[in-house]
This record gives sequence, structure tokens and C-alpha cells, in this order.
Amino acid sequence: KAGVTQTPRYLIKTRGQQVTLSCSPISGHRSVSWYQQTPGQGLQFLFEYFSETQRNKGNFPGRFSGRQFSNSRSEMNVSTLELGDSALYLCASSLTWGYTNEQFFGPGTRLTVL
Amino acid sequence: AQSVSQHNHHVILSEAASLELGCNYSYGGTVNLFWYVQYPGQHLQLLLKYFSGDPLVKGIKGFEAEFIKSKFSFNLRKPSVQWSDTAEYFCAVTSKRDDKIIFGKGTRLHILP
Repeated sequence: KAGVTQTPRYLIKTRGQQVTLSCSPISGHRSVSWYQQTPGQGLQFLFEYFSETQRNKGNFPGRFSGRQFSNSRSEMNVSTLELGDSALYLCASSLTWGYTNEQFFGPGTRLTVL
Repeated sequence: AQSVSQHNHHVILSEAASLELGCNYSYGGTVNLFWYVQYPGQHLQLLLKYFSGDPLVKGIKGFEAEFIKSKFSFNLRKPSVQWSDTAEYFCAVTSKRDDKIIFGKGTRLHILP
């Protein structure tokens, strides 16, 4: 079974721009979660989608948004980029949503904001 | 709000040494506990998890962790480490109340050959 894939793997943007990251979950997985990983803050939960609906949300500003499509693929959008948005963005998929589910992580998208 | 503390940010050991990485969480209700590992250049992957039952759980590659409810702890252990265990280790917790996963800030483990 193919793992979680994320595109692009690397991205360089400038302040004020917007960016869209994509995640394809493991086949059959219907839940997709997004995380931001930085050296200072570690892994922080952004949001979780299941059946095209946002089920849970972390403490990030509204510039961070996401969506999920009917095939479970998900996109994450960051608008008006700031220097502090430079991070590794990880996507994880699981069979369903909820606190008991094991998550499978993708390789991440490394975003650099100049 | 729930939090997870990993006390050791950076650990350096020699091969064959014993390992214990600390993890404490703040929430007192029903929790599920996880250890994830990120090897250099690889994806974050699950090492082991605790949902219920025997508080001593065994994971992959000889790792184990013990859930001590009274201490709000879920420490990771390995009796004899190998150079290939060099990685970053993350403790994580989910709860019925919050329904979202909270990660600790990670512990970088370097094993000297």
C-alpha cells in the first residue's frame, strides 16, 4: 500500500504571498490531519478533516485553512505568509477520526518564507 | 489546556547503554498515549501506543513504555541501544475530551558507535 504523499516537498515563498500544500492519504483512510513542525515549537496540530468536514482545529490564525475532497485528498492553504510560517508541514492520515486512531505521516512539505 | 512535557531535549549515549526518555502529560481523564520516532530523513512513524490494559507496552525495535497513571507519565525505555536508534522521539497524547493529538517537543537521541 502506498504511504501518505505530500506535494510539493519543498517550497520557497516571500512574505505576503499565499501557498497551497497537498496531501494524499493512504488508500482507504478517510481522515487527514495537518501539523506544523518547527525547532522551537515542535509539532503543533493545525486541523483534522474527515468526510470533507473539519472535525477539529488547533490554535492557529485564520490565515491557515484547509479542505478535504470527496476522494479524501486534502489541501492546506496559508495566506499572507509571514516569516514565522517557515516550517515543515506534515500531513497524517488515519482510517477514521477521533482520539483512538493511529496516524500515518507523510514526508512533509518544507516551506521557507523569505 | 492539555500539555505534554519531554524533559530531555538532547540525549547522547554510547551503544549498548540503557535508555529512558521521560514523558509527562497534564490531563487527568481518559487518555491514549503514543511514542513516535523520526529517523534522519524519514517520516514520523509510530513506535508504540497505549490505549488500555497492561500498562507496560512493547513496540517495534525493542522499545517499551510504561504508563503510570498516578505520575501522569509514559516513559520510553530500551535496555540496550544501537547506533541505528539515533533519531528524534516524540511523545503524544490524545484524550476523549479534546479529541486531538498533542505532541511533546521531542527528544533528539544520538547514539555514539
